[in-house]
Amino acid sequence: AQSVTQLGSHVSVSEGALVLLRCNYSSSVPPYLFWYVQYPNQGLQLLLKYTSAATLVKGINGFEAEFKKSETSFHLTKPSAHMSDAAEYFCAVIGVGTSYGKLTFGQGTILTVHP
Amino acid sequence: DAGVIQSPRHEVTEMGQEVTLRCKPISGHDYLFWYRQTMMRGLELLIYFNNNVPIDDSGMPEDRFSAKMPNASFSTLKIQPSEPRDSAVYFCASRPSGRTNEQFFGPGTRLTVL
Repeated sequence: AQSVTQLGSHVSVSEGALVLLRCNYSSSVPPYLFWYVQYPNQGLQLLLKYTSAATLVKGINGFEAEFKKSETSFHLTKPSAHMSDAAEYFCAVIGVGTSYGKLTFGQGTILTVHP
Repeated sequence: DAGVIQSPRHEVTEMGQEVTLRCKPISGHDYLFWYRQTMMRGLELLIYFNNNVPIDDSGMPEDRFSAKMPNASFSTLKIQPSEPRDSAVYFCASRPSGRTNEQFFGPGTRLTVL
């Protein structure tokens, strides 16, 4: 079965600093991977997705993620954090076989940005 | 497009009462998902539909929970009877057919069972 593990439930950075949110996946087949963001009191919103094209994926709001098969990772980065980036971030993998239609989400990482 | 619409946005009820949550997916989307989010368990998929047919309900916690999708533009999640441990935010999401298409989430319903 497909699964994702997010390392670190809370990450704190200063405004202007690098953001790095970690996600490792487990999959028996080449995975399709997603990062979603959830702002307070809102639903989830897609940041970016990997669908086996380019390994470096660029998303909205300056975020990007690199698919590394050798490390089974899909870490999310942003060169310079902004206060508005404070939110919870979820990595997700799409299912195969009988789980074809659904996403499996990680536990989420709460990003705090300090002035 | 108005996006995924959920109602009510907030629901406060007493233990034992029936609760019905409603969702209108984005027009043209073939898949509809119901999720529950809590601090302890994170984001859990409860059930999903494809073309109005339930495909996987393995996440439904127990028989007190039921979901229906009578047509392509409406779905309900019902809890009867409700219990305090059902307190959570319930999200509905929809997406078009195509395996890598993103899911679009509604704003959620915050349920509090006293």
